[in-house]
Amino acid sequence: GQSLEQPSEVTAVEGAIVQINCTYQTSGFYGLSWYQQHDGGAPTFLSYNALDGLEETGRFSSFLSRSDSYGYLLLQELQMKDSASYFCAVRTGGFKTIFGAGTRLFVKA
Amino acid sequence: NAGVMQNPRHLVRRRGQEARLRCSPMKGHSHVYWYRQLPEEGLKFMVYLQKENIIDESGMPKERFSAEFPKEGPSILRIQQVVRGDSAAYFCASSPVGGSGTDEQFFGPGTRLTVL
Repeated sequence: GQSLEQPSEVTAVEGAIVQINCTYQTSGFYGLSWYQQHDGGAPTFLSYNALDGLEETGRFSSFLSRSDSYGYLLLQELQMKDSASYFCAVRTGGFKTIFGAGTRLFVKA
Repeated sequence: NAGVMQNPRHLVRRRGQEARLRCSPMKGHSHVYWYRQLPEEGLKFMVYLQKENIIDESGMPKERFSAEFPKEGPSILRIQQVVRGDSAAYFCASSPVGGSGTDEQFFGPGTRLTVL
């Protein structure tokens, strides 16, 4: 079967750094994406890794290791508004994308 | 440039009725995806369409569910004879022709379906 594993919940304090891991097992792999979703809102795209290494976009960075079927999202200088659910997603082939169950991030003052 | 639009935002149906969900992709986007999300869960892929073509419907239940993306007008996800288990948020997403390079999908605000 195809699966993406990520922690269900992470708590951190304002100003800190948090890392959300994602391991995947899929029949095909074209790239790993990350999405943010606030309660009641729509998912919004954060980042995409097709090749090994680190991609940085402002306070957010994303890492991929294809040999380990592993990636992570790194959020720096956490703000209260970062409290949301974060989903990793794998494009498995063609245009089909499989999403993880999501990690709920709680940012405390 | 308007984003992905979905309507209605909330839909209430009684068991056995039909639910019709609409999605207008972003201007210039010809790829449409439908996802279902249950509370506290991730997005489950249902179907991927291009104009007038269903490309991949492997995530869609074989019965009662259908989707279309006509040459003119929005994409429609249709659920016939709804049951309580169909209650969920249904999200539509779109991407441009040939993909976005970054694999980005642009999501609409979703339709929250409640089956009584």
